Amino acid sequence: DADVTQTPRNRITKTGKRIMLECSQTKGHDRMYWYRQDPGLGLRLIYYSFDVKDINKGEISDGYSVSRQAQAKFSLSLESAIPNQTALYFCATDLPGHTQYFGPGTRLTVL
Amino acid sequence: AQKVTQAQTEISVVEKEDVTLDCVYETRDTTYYLFWYKQPPSGELVFLIRRNSFDEQNEISGRYSWNFQKSTSSFNFTITASQVVDSAVYFCALRAGGTSYGKLTFGQGTILTVHP
Repeated sequence: DADVTQTPRNRITKTGKRIMLECSQTKGHDRMYWYRQDPGLGLRLIYYSFDVKDINKGEISDGYSVSRQAQAKFSLSLESAIPNQTALYFCATDLPGHTQYFGPGTRLTVL
Repeated sequence: AQKVTQAQTEISVVEKEDVTLDCVYETRDTTYYLFWYKQPPSGELVFLIRRNSFDEQNEISGRYSWNFQKSTSSFNFTITASQVVDSAVYFCALRAGGTSYGKLTFGQGTILTVHP
């Protein structure tokens, strides 16, 4: 596996607050992704990065920003959280052979 | 554009029954990859299988089997002799090899409940 870790695992915050979700991987893979999961909608891509200098928007990037601080770290920020950003967030990285390996997820609640 | 449809929102079976989860996909790419992931109640996503578009061989792994048919754009997943521990949400996903990035397109998921 890719040893993907996410912090925090659970977070409750209030509307308007800025929060950061962090993701790290230990295998030195270049590609990293952030997805959100909502009930009945599967997972949808927020942002992705192919290396430290290459960051791209996914299908639902509005209200989010990311930072690729190093090859191993890819952080997702909500500048001003709103209740409809309540979701389960997953970080992922690519393994050889096109398989994406997911971190354990961060459950975010915005009150 | 890629699309994955899992028409079965929820399935409920009794232990030891066989169950098939359907997955239909759409893509214009000739090279693509199909996946199944399992999400148990604990929430993590567990990779189950990957299939390449050029390899239509079906696969069996213990009680799990997968039927890939390009002619019908389907990649169905069967659990034989289901167990309570199989209760989870199952996602089918598509990754097109010709796209500019490695985005996975997920289906909506099928909630499988196996009753004792």
